[in-house]
Amino acid sequence: KQEVTQIPAALSVPEGENLVLNCSFTDSAIYNLQWFRQDPGKGLTSLLLIQSSQREQTSGRLNASLDKSSGRSTLYIAASQPGDSATYLCAVSPTQTSGSRLTFGEGTQLTVNP
Amino acid sequence: EPEVTQTPSHQVTQMGQEVILRCVPISNHLYFYWYRQILGQKVEFLVSFYNNEISEKSEIFDDQFSVERPDGSNFTLKIRSTKLEDSAMYFCASSSRRSDTGELFFGEGSRLTVL
Repeated sequence: KQEVTQIPAALSVPEGENLVLNCSFTDSAIYNLQWFRQDPGKGLTSLLLIQSSQREQTSGRLNASLDKSSGRSTLYIAASQPGDSATYLCAVSPTQTSGSRLTFGEGTQLTVNP
Repeated sequence: EPEVTQTPSHQVTQMGQEVILRCVPISNHLYFYWYRQILGQKVEFLVSFYNNEISEKSEIFDDQFSVERPDGSNFTLKIRSTKLEDSAMYFCASSSRRSDTGELFFGEGSRLTVL
């Protein structure tokens, strides 16, 4: 059974700092990995999706990497801003053909202080 | 930008009552999903739906739950007889097979409170 773990559970940084969020998964047979942002009481906003054949994806100040063989992904946020404060979730999909049954981690709650 | 919309945003119900949560997925998407998140816990998969039938469901999705696509736009989750432990945020999601990326797009969620 796939298990997804995110470290740290919470992180507080001053504005402008670069930071890394970690995600690990137990079963390397994944189709893709997706990073989401969740604001309190809100839905999930897709940030980046990495296919299993890819090593990284970039969008603006965000960069996500994937090392499938070791079961790890990182989300790098450059020059953090108070507006980045949210919970960041990673989720893995086992296969394309069955639909994307995502397995989620518990998330990292990020606070960026002005 | 196209988005997944869900109604109601919050519903309060008495234990044992039936509840229907509604979703309008992104119009050209072919796969539809329901997930839930109990307060303070992980987001959990409930069910996926493709070509007018369930393609996969989790152990949570028991006989009390059902899904339906009654017309070309809506996708509903019905809970027949709600229990206290059904209190959670329910998220609808959709994805486009044609894009071949499997990327899921989520709605804002429907918060269900069972008293």
